[in-house]
Amino acid sequence: RKEVEQDPGPFNVPEGATVAFNCTYSNSASQSFFWYRQDCRKEPKLLMSVYSSGNEDGRFTAQLNRASQYISLLIRDSKLSDSATYLCVVNHHSGGYQKVTFGIGTKLQVIP
Amino acid sequence: DVKVTQSSRYLVKRTGEKVFLECVQDMDHENMFWYRQDPGLGLRLIYFSYDVKMKEKGDIPEGYSVSREKKERFSLILESASTNQTSMYLCASSLPIPAGELFFGEGSRLTVL
Repeated sequence: RKEVEQDPGPFNVPEGATVAFNCTYSNSASQSFFWYRQDCRKEPKLLMSVYSSGNEDGRFTAQLNRASQYISLLIRDSKLSDSATYLCVVNHHSGGYQKVTFGIGTKLQVIP
Repeated sequence: DVKVTQSSRYLVKRTGEKVFLECVQDMDHENMFWYRQDPGLGLRLIYFSYDVKMKEKGDIPEGYSVSREKKERFSLILESASTNQTSMYLCASSLPIPAGELFFGEGSRLTVL
C-alpha cells in the first residue's frame, strides 16, 4: 500500500462548480499535513496546511480526519486559474528528522 | 524573498557519465530534500538531509548519492547515469517540524541518452 494515495483524475469541472479531493495516508503516526499546488512545468508551492479542526482560506477548505486517516480539499466557485495539480503531503517525524511524502497529485481542469 | 536555486534547468548527458545537480538555499533551513518527478509516479524522495554532513535515504536512493558539506548546499550525484534516470529533479528545503513547509527550486530536467 502506498504511503499517500490520491485519485490522479483528471477532474474536469465547469467554472463556478464545487470540487473536492481526498487523500488517504497509511502511517497513523504522521504529524502534519499539507496541500500543495503544482502548475504545469512549475515547481510545487504550498497551498495550505491542514489542521484537525479544519481550516479555510477564501474558496479553499481543508479537513483532516485522523481516525480514518484522510485529508480533503474543497474548492468552491472554481475559477479557470484553479486548473493545476493538487498534491497531498504528509510529514512524519522519525529519529529526529522529518520525512515528507507526496501523493501522486490530482489534476484539476476548470472548463469555461 | 525565500529562494532555492538549482544550478541547471536542463541537462543532456550520456549513459555512464557522472552528473552533479547542485541546490542552494538562502533561508538557513536545516532540512533539504531531493525528489524526482515522473509522469504517473508523482514526486519520489531520493535523499534528504537534516543537518550538515548528515544524509538519509529516501524511497529510491539506488543509483544516487548526495553531499551536504555546507548548510546551504545539497548536491545530488549520479555516479554513472542511466537512461532510466531521465527525469525532472526537484530540490527543496524546510525548517524542521512543526514548520514543515517545503520550498522548491524550479527543477532540473535531466535527459540521459
